[in-house]
Amino acid sequence: EVQMLESGGGLVQPGGSLRLSCAASGFTFSNYAMSWVRQAPGKGLEWVSGISGSTGSTYYADSVKGRYTISRDNSKNTLSLQMNSLRAEDTAVYHCAKNGGVSCYSHFDYWGQGILVTVSS
Amino acid sequence: DIVMTQSPDSLAVSLGERATINCKSSQSVLFSSDTKNYLAWYQLKPGQPPKLLIYWASTRESGVPDRFSGSGSGTDFTLTISSLQAEDVAVYYCQQYYSFPFTFGGGTKVEIK
Repeated sequence: EVQMLESGGGLVQPGGSLRLSCAASGFTFSNYAMSWVRQAPGKGLEWVSGISGSTGSTYYADSVKGRYTISRDNSKNTLSLQMNSLRAEDTAVYHCAKNGGVSCYSHFDYWGQGILVTVSS
Repeated sequence: DIVMTQSPDSLAVSLGERATINCKSSQSVLFSSDTKNYLAWYQLKPGQPPKLLIYWASTRESGVPDRFSGSGSGTDFTLTISSLQAEDVAVYYCQQYYSFPFTFGGGTKVEIK
């Protein structure tokens, strides 16, 4: 059974940093791209970042480029998102998502429950 | 960026009746090399993670009831629920994965009439 469990969320002040992690199981982690998708309170879904399964190529939404860094540790089946210079508009539930293939150019077939990040003073 | 526009924003359908959701992309998401439309549909219920329903515009995900179907090509797509059930009350999103940044539609809320 595919499972993904996010951790590392919480309350942070504007300008602060957080590191999200996603522990994956139930599939061969290195064979799939992985992504982060967020949903701000009362808003729709927003793709944040993705990383391919093979080359580790990374991609970012313009809204987070230069502030967020996605990474993966295939030996530990873990996906991470380092978030720096956080802003109030980054407040959202962040979902870890498994892509349907090794390339990021694929749908999201499994999603984690999500973890709340709140940026507020 | 590719803009995904869904319509309607919400709809109320009687149990057992058909629900139709439209999604229009600002540019084609049909990749000529593999003739696939890079378009997915997701269902989102409160307190639950999004659930993949349809990918490549018309391929139903394993385990998804066959009352859900996707159609369309290029820039115009449709998600159809052929016979609405109570458990289908949710918000539905289309999403393109043709080019970065990947983008979602604004969502369509489906309710029971």
